[in-house]
Amino acid sequence: DSGVTQTPKHLITATGQRVTLRCSPRSGDLSVYWYQQSLDQGLQFLIQYYNGEERAKGNILERFSAQQFPDLHSELNLSSLELGDSALYFCASSVDGTGGWETQYFGPGTRLLVL
Amino acid sequence: AQSVTQLDSQVPVFEEAPVELRCNYSSSVSVYLFWYVQYPNQGLQLLLKYLSGSTLVKGINGFEAEFNKSQTSFHLRKPSVHISDTAEYFCAVSRSGGSNYKLTFGKGTLLTVNP
Repeated sequence: DSGVTQTPKHLITATGQRVTLRCSPRSGDLSVYWYQQSLDQGLQFLIQYYNGEERAKGNILERFSAQQFPDLHSELNLSSLELGDSALYFCASSVDGTGGWETQYFGPGTRLLVL
Repeated sequence: AQSVTQLDSQVPVFEEAPVELRCNYSSSVSVYLFWYVQYPNQGLQLLLKYLSGSTLVKGINGFEAEFNKSQTSFHLRKPSVHISDTAEYFCAVSRSGGSNYKLTFGKGTLLTVNP
């Protein structure tokens, strides 16, 4: 158990809908990362937050947004969903996200299926 | 930008045999190197990482990896595998400078250990 929790575990929804994925980092970690894992693209970095502020952006679509709250949990919002958004979404956390040497601890993921 | 190539998508081996999972990377800047393991229906767990110093890095569960700067490789090895090592293994890099410390992953290698 990494200490990172993600809810829900599974999500089934329809095209055009909007969903929210939630992540709670390990106790004491200030930085949260979101990754998308799909069969064709593999594991791709989406976005990083540090202590409530956006720190870095990756291949995140404009239909997707995220935020980190004062209690340090994070939410990833996916809107106008398309079939191709079906994937496993991972959240990871690290102590402060100020160096590439840090270990990122991954949650169990949320499996999203868009029908 | 960094990229990671895992040369084998699948590696089948028999129990107690040695195994090597190959990873090559490309980067215009210095990087840190990681191996993560993903067991079925679970998140990613760090096996080991190379930051600096000795090029041979020992990790959990008897795994080790060797950093070779001239060949830009970071191959993962285990002298004797167990059934429980069956999982997907991901090689990843992060940059050692700048401000974006995302992990860039390879496509993964599925290790299947047969009795």
